[in-house]
Amino acid sequence: KQEVTQIPAALSVPEGENLVLNCSFTDSAIYNLQWFRQDPGKGLTSLLLIQSSQREQTSGRLNASLDKSSGRSTLYIAASQPGDSATYLCAVRPRGYSTLTFGKGTMLLVSP
Amino acid sequence: EAQVTQNPRYLITVTGKKLTVTCSQNMNHEYMSWYRQDPGLGLRQIYYSMNVEVTDKGDVPEGYKVSRKEKRNFPLILESPSPNQTSLYFCASSLSGATAGNTIYFGEGSWLTVV
Repeated sequence: KQEVTQIPAALSVPEGENLVLNCSFTDSAIYNLQWFRQDPGKGLTSLLLIQSSQREQTSGRLNASLDKSSGRSTLYIAASQPGDSATYLCAVRPRGYSTLTFGKGTMLLVSP
Repeated sequence: EAQVTQNPRYLITVTGKKLTVTCSQNMNHEYMSWYRQDPGLGLRQIYYSMNVEVTDKGDVPEGYKVSRKEKRNFPLILESPSPNQTSLYFCASSLSGATAGNTIYFGEGSWLTVV
């Protein structure tokens, strides 16, 4: 069964730092991997989706990479801002299934 | 505006009193699903639907029912709620459940407390 792990569980950084969030998964047979952002008491907002055939995706200050063979993905946030404070979740869609398996998230706090 | 809308957003109910959480999407998506989010357990899928009249169990289906009579709606039914169903529930949809490149859109969530 697919398992998704996110490290660290929580991260606190000063504004302006570049940072990396990590996601690992146990089964490399995936359709895609998606990074989400969740603000307290809110729903999930999709940030980036990487298909299994892709190595990375970029959107503004965010860059997500995927190394399927090693079962890893990273989310790089450049020049962090207080508005980036949120919980970041990664989710994989196993090949052949219509479900998403989520990690438990990394809670990020960016202080001014 | 593309939306997944859930109602109610907040509900306190009593054990055994049937309730329905509605979910509607305006994007003509084929795929819809329900998740629950619990501290320490993360998000877990309850049920999903690949299209109208096609539903299937996710990881934690016990105590829940769903129906998909029309494309835009996917209600979650708790026939006899119990306190262990106290949770934050999310509805989600995507264009297709069978295509690798589809982004999944989530509703704002429904906070359910069963006393």
